[in-house]
Amino acid sequence: GENVEQHPSTLSVQEGDSAVIKCTYSDSASNYFPWYKQELGKGPQLIIDIRSNVGEKKDQRIAVTLNKTAKHFSLHITETQPEDSAVYFCAASKHDYKLSFGAGTTVTVRA
Amino acid sequence: EPEVTQTPSHQVTQMGQEVILRCVPISNHLYFYWYRQILGQKVEFLVSFYNNEISEKSEIFDDQFSVERPDGSNFTLKIRSTKLEDSAMYFCASSVDSDTGELFFGEGSRLTVL
Repeated sequence: GENVEQHPSTLSVQEGDSAVIKCTYSDSASNYFPWYKQELGKGPQLIIDIRSNVGEKKDQRIAVTLNKTAKHFSLHITETQPEDSAVYFCAASKHDYKLSFGAGTTVTVRA
Repeated sequence: EPEVTQTPSHQVTQMGQEVILRCVPISNHLYFYWYRQILGQKVEFLVSFYNNEISEKSEIFDDQFSVERPDGSNFTLKIRSTKLEDSAMYFCASSVDSDTGELFFGEGSRLTVL
């Protein structure tokens, strides 16, 4: 089955700096790559996703890049703010609903 | 904003007991899912449900588990004869469709088996 590896496991950044989280996946048939943000006491919330026919997607301060050849994708958060502090999960899937998650990255934005 | 709601938020049970976790998906969603996260491990897919039947299940979802949509609003996960290793956070999710729809997750039900 699909195996998704996520790095780093923790990330501390100064407010205003950028944060980058990287994921690799094993199944070349995967074609859907969402990113979820989980705040304390809440469920994962989709923040951005990308499909295999697109190399990059941006939504305000958040961007995701996908390299299908290398089987890796990354989340970029620019101009980080304290409210960006959370656990971020990447995932990969051949079917949108059956997601294989990474282990998560705890992001702390220092004021 | 519509959301997926789960109850209870935390349940403690004795090994061997049966547990029912409840979920109310978003009202116009047609596809329902359960995922779980054992402490310190990845979030794992358990089962998907559509049109009153299981559409796919993982190898984790054995005969100990069952799902049901007993009425028009609830979606339940039943765990029979709970084991210590069933202790985890269980997330319910729903989507409008299965191909292009975003999964909306609930806040989770934490199950502790003693």
